[in-house]
This record gives sequence, C-alpha cells and structure tokens, in this order.
Amino acid sequence: EIVLTQSPGTLSLSPGERATLSCRASQSISSSYLAWYHQKPGQAPRLLIYGASSRATGIPDRFSGSGSGTDFTLTISRLEPEDFAVYYCQQYGNSPFTFGPGTKVDIK
Amino acid sequence: EVQLVESGGGLVQPGGSLRLSCAASGFTFSSYEMNWVRQAPGKGLEWVSYISSSGSTIYYADSVKGRFTISRDNAKNSLYLQMNSLGAEDTAVYYCARVYTSSSGKAIDYWGQGTLVTVSS
Repeated sequence: EIVLTQSPGTLSLSPGERATLSCRASQSISSSYLAWYHQKPGQAPRLLIYGASSRATGIPDRFSGSGSGTDFTLTISRLEPEDFAVYYCQQYGNSPFTFGPGTKVDIK
Repeated sequence: EVQLVESGGGLVQPGGSLRLSCAASGFTFSSYEMNWVRQAPGKGLEWVSYISSSGSTIYYADSVKGRFTISRDNAKNSLYLQMNSLGAEDTAVYYCARVYTSSSGKAIDYWGQGTLVTVSS
C-alpha cells in the first residue's frame, strides 16, 4: 500500500499570502495519478489538480501543482477567503487508492 | 449537469447490513469508472472501493474486504455498495465518486453529497 504523508498538518496564513502544501509518497508514483482536492466543512471534496499539475475545470490559476516520483507540491499563490479549507492529496495509480491525512489551511 | 445522488444510509446495529445506492445522471454512466469513498466524523477521506466501467474489475480497501461488495447496473445508471458485518468503525459519510480519465491523468472529478451511515446499538 502506498502511504501518503502531508505536511504541514495545519497552515495558518492570511488572505493574500502564498501557501505551499507538501504530499510525500512512501514509494514512487506516476505523476499521472496524483491529485489534489479541497474540502470545506459540510461539503463534498472538490478536485483541484490531477496528473500532478493539471488544473481541473473551473479552478483558478492561483492553484498550481508540481512534483514527481515521491514528492509533490500544491501551491496557492495568493490565498482568497474561499481557499481556507482542508486539502487532500490522493494517488490513483495502485490499489488501494489512498488519500493523505490532509492539510488544514486556516486563517491566521 | 453531472449528478450523483446517494441513498440508503441510516442507523444500523453492529453486525447488521445496509445497501447504499448512487443514482447517476447527466453523463454516460456506463463509460466511467466509479468509487465509494468514506469519511468518518471529523476525520479525513478514506477510499473504500472501485469498480471499472464494465464492472469487470473491482478493488477494495483492506478495511472492508470480505464485508463490502461494490456493484453497478449500467442499464439503471446506478452504483451500489452492499455492506455486511458492520462495526462502529464503519460509521461515516459515504460518497459516490466518478473517475475522470484523460491523457494527463486520472482522478475523482465528481462527488455525490454523501449519505451518513451510523453503526450503533
């Protein structure tokens, strides 16, 4: 099983600041199968990035993904109020299709 | 508009069974891989099960293997999850989730609103 580790657990930032979230895999995964989601309280998750770096439909360009192998990064260039949420990475390359434990981005 | 609507959740006693359904609309259901993902109260996301578009390939998380069965009826645009031998650890919101596949990658692109399963005596 591929274990995904996300850091930090919580990121406290102000609107307008840059957020950098990390997702590390226990073994190498194809970039094609690394995705990022965010989830707000009481809502279903929403796809942000797939294939490690491709933005999903309707996702603003302040969101960007990068990385390969075992290390992946989600960057939010300038935080907007609606970006404060929990962010999850997921690998879809090998069953079980595991999620990371999440990074909570909250308002400082 | 893509819609995934789960039903069948509720309160069940430990050791009991429940069958979840997901009604899909707004897309060609038979062309898409599907998953069930769950989220225990206050916890993160846990992938539960996968089924290919034809139903010929199925995977389960170790935590549910042997107890849960995923299936689909492409003629009815429906996805199912039969859950047996339920325990308190299965208490969660269960999401039906569609897989997007492109040349750039694969990911879950649509989620239902979720159905709550509570296992308690």
